[in-house]
Amino acid sequence: GEDVEQSLFLSVREGDSSVINCTYTDSSSTYLYWYKQEPGAGLQLLTYIFSNMDMKQDQRLTVLLNKKDKHLSLRIADTQTGDSAIYFCAERAANSGAGSYQLTFGKGTKLSVIP
Amino acid sequence: EADIYQTPRYLVIGTGKKITLECSQTMGHDKMYWYQQDPGMELHLIHYSYGVNSTEKGDLSSESTVSRIRTEHFPLTLESARPSHTSQYLCASSEQAGKETQYFGPGTRLLVL
Repeated sequence: GEDVEQSLFLSVREGDSSVINCTYTDSSSTYLYWYKQEPGAGLQLLTYIFSNMDMKQDQRLTVLLNKKDKHLSLRIADTQTGDSAIYFCAERAANSGAGSYQLTFGKGTKLSVIP
Repeated sequence: EADIYQTPRYLVIGTGKKITLECSQTMGHDKMYWYQQDPGMELHLIHYSYGVNSTEKGDLSSESTVSRIRTEHFPLTLESARPSHTSQYLCASSEQAGKETQYFGPGTRLLVL
């Protein structure tokens, strides 16, 4: 079945760039997402990328997609302490049993920003 | 800003009690989901619904049950709470077709003593 892999932890210094990586297995994925979860809160949609794109930039966030390697990354420029959170990668995958699509989430990467 | 709400935000309850976690959304989304999130951060899909009168079990077996009588409302019920049910429960919704972008509620943190 579909699987989304992420490293569990990342630690960076304030002001540096953070790069969170994700690999997925479903080659038919058409949308890939990044969500952010702050302590005690639900998941907040950060950004998504359509599979016919290689890159998407939104202010400090840059998403890179390598479809050949099934690799997705999220780069946060000028990382701030407020960026400390758990970041989830997700792919839109076919749910063949129900004839529909669902999101498959990675286990999350905990980003710690050191002041 | 997503309009999806969960109540209560926090609940401490004794073993054997019946509880219902509420989830409602005002976006008119057909699809709704319940996830259980363990302390190790991983999300587990326990229930989902494609619309009114539709409920399906997710990837993780759960002793909870759900109902979908109205589009905007997707409550989760535990008939007899146990300490093993202690977790964070996240509700989400998405449109029926298209990007399937899921919008999440703030979560309910449940502690069963």
